Amino acid sequence: AQSVTQLDSHVSVSEGTPVLLRCNYSSSYSPSLFWYVQHPNKGLQLLLKYTSAATLVKGINGFEAEFKKSETSFHLTKPSAHMSDAAEYFCVVSDPNNNDMRFGAGTRLTVKP
Amino acid sequence: DAGVIQSPRHEVTEMGQEVTLRCKPISGHDYLFWYRQTMMRGLELLIYFNNNVPIDDSGMPEDRFSAKMPNASFSTLKIQPSEPRDSAVYFCATIVGHSSYNEQFFGPGTRLTVL
Repeated sequence: AQSVTQLDSHVSVSEGTPVLLRCNYSSSYSPSLFWYVQHPNKGLQLLLKYTSAATLVKGINGFEAEFKKSETSFHLTKPSAHMSDAAEYFCVVSDPNNNDMRFGAGTRLTVKP
Repeated sequence: DAGVIQSPRHEVTEMGQEVTLRCKPISGHDYLFWYRQTMMRGLELLIYFNNNVPIDDSGMPEDRFSAKMPNASFSTLKIQPSEPRDSAVYFCATIVGHSSYNEQFFGPGTRLTVL
């Protein structure tokens, strides 16, 4: 069975400083990994995904994530936070043998002026 | 395409009443998922369909919940009778193809409040 753990339920940064949202996964297979963002009162939107190609994945809005198999991690980063980045972020692992997707509990990102 | 469409966007009802949530998937997407999101439990997968057939309903909390997909363009999630603990945001999401590489497209959600 696969699972995903988001290590921080809440992260607070100042505008202009780097963002790091941590995600560790457990999977018996070579998984696909995703980051989704959810702004208040909105549905989830895909930020980026890893599908066994390049280990460093670039997404929308300046976000990127690095797949590290040895650490079973897929942390999300952004060099400089913007106020509009304040949202809930979900890390997701997907089993390649079916469409079984497991969502992390989410990390709420707060950006201070 | 307008994306995944859910209705209603907000629903307020009284305990014991029947609630029906609706979802129209993106045309051509052959997988449809129903999720529930609460502060306490986060995002939970309730059930998913492939080509209108329920594949896994192990996440459905109890018999009060039922879901149908009568055709490729429509799905419903019904709660009967509703209870206050059912208050949550319910999301529908769809995906095309049998591949873990493909992203799910989420609807805007239905915020359900059961008084």
